[in-house]
Amino acid sequence: EVQLVESGGGLVQPGGSLRLSCAASGFTFSTYAMNWVRQVPGKGLEWVSYITSSGNTIYYADSVEGRFTISRDNAKNSLYLQMNSLRDEDTAVYYCARKKYSSGYDYWGQGTLVTVSS
Amino acid sequence: DIQLTQSPSFLSASVGDRVTITCRASQDISSYLAWYQQEPGKAPKLLIYAVSTLQSEVPSRFSGSGSGTEFTLTISSLQPEDFATYYCQQLNSYPLTFGPGTKVDVK
Repeated sequence: EVQLVESGGGLVQPGGSLRLSCAASGFTFSTYAMNWVRQVPGKGLEWVSYITSSGNTIYYADSVEGRFTISRDNAKNSLYLQMNSLRDEDTAVYYCARKKYSSGYDYWGQGTLVTVSS
Repeated sequence: DIQLTQSPSFLSASVGDRVTITCRASQDISSYLAWYQQEPGKAPKLLIYAVSTLQSEVPSRFSGSGSGTEFTLTISSLQPEDFATYYCQQLNSYPLTFGPGTKVDVK
């Protein structure tokens, strides 16, 4: 069974940092591109970042470019999101999601809540 | 960036109704469109990809159509478990944007 489990969310002050993790199981993690998607509670979905299976190609949303860093460790079946210089508007539930080639995100984690507040 | 709009934003319907949601892209995205269903407090679920291909185990009452810039998601006979919010997503080019969502509620 495919599982994605996020962790690392919590309360952080503006300007602070947080590192999210996504533990993958039930599939060959090293062969799939992965993504982070976030959702402000009660609002819509916002794509945050993408990384290819090898980690060689990475994209970011303009809203997080220069502040967030996506990475992966295929030996540990894990995806990461390092979030620096956090702002109030980064408050959201963060999901990791597996990309099914060019067909969409077929598996999602349960999400981890990041709250940026003083 | 490619912008997606959805209409309507909110839809009231009854069990058994035929429901259609439209997604429009600001430029041609070919067939790189997916639809998701999200229930409150849960992660989104992939329903349809490549405009009209049903994801595994998705009921056949869901269907998708369209091309270029206009796409539709149709639920042929609404079931109780279908009351949720639906999002379209374009996978043509980064950033991979989502539509703003359509909430389907009980009439």
